[in-house]
Amino acid sequence: KAGVTQTPRYLIKTRGQQVTLSCSPISGHRSVSWYQQTPGQGLQFLFEYFSETQRNKGNFPGRFSGRQFSNSRSEMNVSTLELGDSALYLCASSLDKGGREQFFGPGTRLTVL
Amino acid sequence: GQQVMQIPQYQHVQEGEDFTTYCNSSTTLSNIQWYKQRPGGHPVFLIQLVKSGEVKKQKRLTFQFGEAKKNSSLHITATQTTDVGTYFCAGPFPRTSGGSNYKLTFGKGTLLTVNP
Repeated sequence: KAGVTQTPRYLIKTRGQQVTLSCSPISGHRSVSWYQQTPGQGLQFLFEYFSETQRNKGNFPGRFSGRQFSNSRSEMNVSTLELGDSALYLCASSLDKGGREQFFGPGTRLTVL
Repeated sequence: GQQVMQIPQYQHVQEGEDFTTYCNSSTTLSNIQWYKQRPGGHPVFLIQLVKSGEVKKQKRLTFQFGEAKKNSSLHITATQTTDVGTYFCAGPFPRTSGGSNYKLTFGKGTLLTVNP
């Protein structure tokens, strides 16, 4: 089976712009979670989607949003980018909801200038 | 709040030495998971422990789940340079107390460096 894929792998944006990141889960996986990772920080949870519904949301401002499509593919959007949004954004898929083991994609490295 | 604590935050060892990282939960968990992230890479699922007192081995790695299912440890025997990376533990926590909506919560990880 193909693993989790994320596009793009690298992105450079300027402050104030918006960005959309994409994630394709492992075939058959219905749950997709998003995390932000910065140097020295752990995995900061953004949100989790299952069957096109957001089940959980982390403590991030409303500039961060996401959605999931009927084929389980997911996107996250960050509007009005700030310098502090520079990070590795990781997507993880899971067979089911509810804290099952997760399989991570390679991540999207976002740099905000 | 519900959380998972990991210690130590950093550990530097000489190649061949043993290494242990500890994970403590604020509440009883149905399972505990361990992940490894190599430098420049992404977290990779290693193992899941479910039973109280469970011990599992993967070559030089030994994983334990505490009797009370609130703590866990990962022990690496005779470290090698390939063991370098950050080791995370994670457990499912209910979104609300007594609820059935569980979210996987990660510890901040232990960064292991190995001097050859």
